[in-house]
Amino acid sequence: NAGVTQTPKFQVLKTGQSMTLQCAQDMNHNSMYWYRQDPGMGLRLIYYSASEGTTDKGEVPNGYNVSRLNKREFSLRLESAAPSQTSVYFCASRRMGPAGGQETQYFGPGTRLLVL
Amino acid sequence: AQSVTQLDSQVPVFEEAPVELRCNYSSSVSVYLFWYVQYPNQGLQLLLKYLSGSTLVKGINGFEAEFNKSQTSFHLRKPSVHISDTAEYFCAVSATYSGGYQKVTFGTGTKLQVIP
Repeated sequence: NAGVTQTPKFQVLKTGQSMTLQCAQDMNHNSMYWYRQDPGMGLRLIYYSASEGTTDKGEVPNGYNVSRLNKREFSLRLESAAPSQTSVYFCASRRMGPAGGQETQYFGPGTRLLVL
Repeated sequence: AQSVTQLDSQVPVFEEAPVELRCNYSSSVSVYLFWYVQYPNQGLQLLLKYLSGSTLVKGINGFEAEFNKSQTSFHLRKPSVHISDTAEYFCAVSATYSGGYQKVTFGTGTKLQVIP
């Protein structure tokens, strides 16, 4: 049981390049999330997917797109990277149901992205 | 609307001394409260959570937190810290709004530095 996995672990991009961050979970969770973590700002939600087939914007969606490929996988795409997107990106998943608000989020190890 | 405030961005403490990390929240609906810990270069993992019942919640690694509804606080405590407790700690609130919409909000984090 690997939990939440993310690839790649590190990435350096030039301004304007594109890339896709991959996330997969093997816990049969319905909901998946993408956050970015910046110093002094905590975690900010980029996009989330409450269930397979749905995606919604979070707090800071500009410059990003997402795809919920299936129940296991949730990818984050940067179409044209900018230096402001230099950050650590975390994927998370959570089991949801009638009492979903009680459920713990499980986080991946993160992707460290540097945009030059 | 909901928000989480962690007033202390950094807390230095000597090994074997007690520590309290503060968390205050605001919400228009009932919330569930969480503390997550992030060790260097890792993702977040659950430390403890308050769902209902006893206001004193015990978590892993000897940590505990007390829910105080009147003060809208959920402070984290440990009576005697260890070097291995050096990490960043995040408080989070989770709430369910009308229509089933669920939202999680994280604080900006408190870095605990244990001094030998």
